[in-house]
Amino acid sequence: QQQVKQSPQSLIVQKGGISIINCAYENTAFDYFPWYQQFPGKGPALLIAIRPDVSEKKEGRFTISFNKSAKQFSLHIMDSQPGDSATYFCAAIPTGTASKLTFGTGTRLQVTL
Amino acid sequence: KAGVTQTPRYLIKTRGQQVTLSCSPISGHRSVSWYQQTPGQGLQFLFEYFSETQRNKGNFPGRFSGRQFSNSRSEMNVSTLELGDSALYLCASSLGGTGGAYEQYFGPGTRLTVT
Repeated sequence: QQQVKQSPQSLIVQKGGISIINCAYENTAFDYFPWYQQFPGKGPALLIAIRPDVSEKKEGRFTISFNKSAKQFSLHIMDSQPGDSATYFCAAIPTGTASKLTFGTGTRLQVTL
Repeated sequence: KAGVTQTPRYLIKTRGQQVTLSCSPISGHRSVSWYQQTPGQGLQFLFEYFSETQRNKGNFPGRFSGRQFSNSRSEMNVSTLELGDSALYLCASSLGGTGGAYEQYFGPGTRLTVT
């Protein structure tokens, strides 16, 4: 059963715009929420991650917003660039496992000129 | 620091055969996890090895197995290959110890095609 739901499936954003990808989880026993970026033919690359005791984390143009009560978290990409065009995955790690990433279904982002 | 390396990058096998994939983690990382990526099922966790012991396991049949060596390098084996095993197999390494060092870094993957 899918425990992390991700939307939208695909997203087209103009250069300079804000890309927003949302995820919701069903299992309250997750304690680490990373986002990965994957280009065709490559493995996923860790972008940014957050723990549930923090409501927001920002690294450069990437921001995670986390709403523990709603069991939702989102990735915001500010000033989106054509080089950001990739597939983005949210994920979660169950408490006590230190691994066993449960991934969302992915969002294919296209940033147009 | 060198990243996670996986060999081979591409493999073509026939149904019924077996295959072994290899993963070398980032230096100093003691945990290696394996994932299967397919268009239909997405990214799914297979298993994790830490200090040569399987520490976590996903929901895959026993045909999928792995091991880890004392230098943290890991191998994954799939026996009696089925067409549905065609996928990108990804390995990820992390420090893996206690204290919440959960960051996992992925290799480029091995593309397995079963005919």
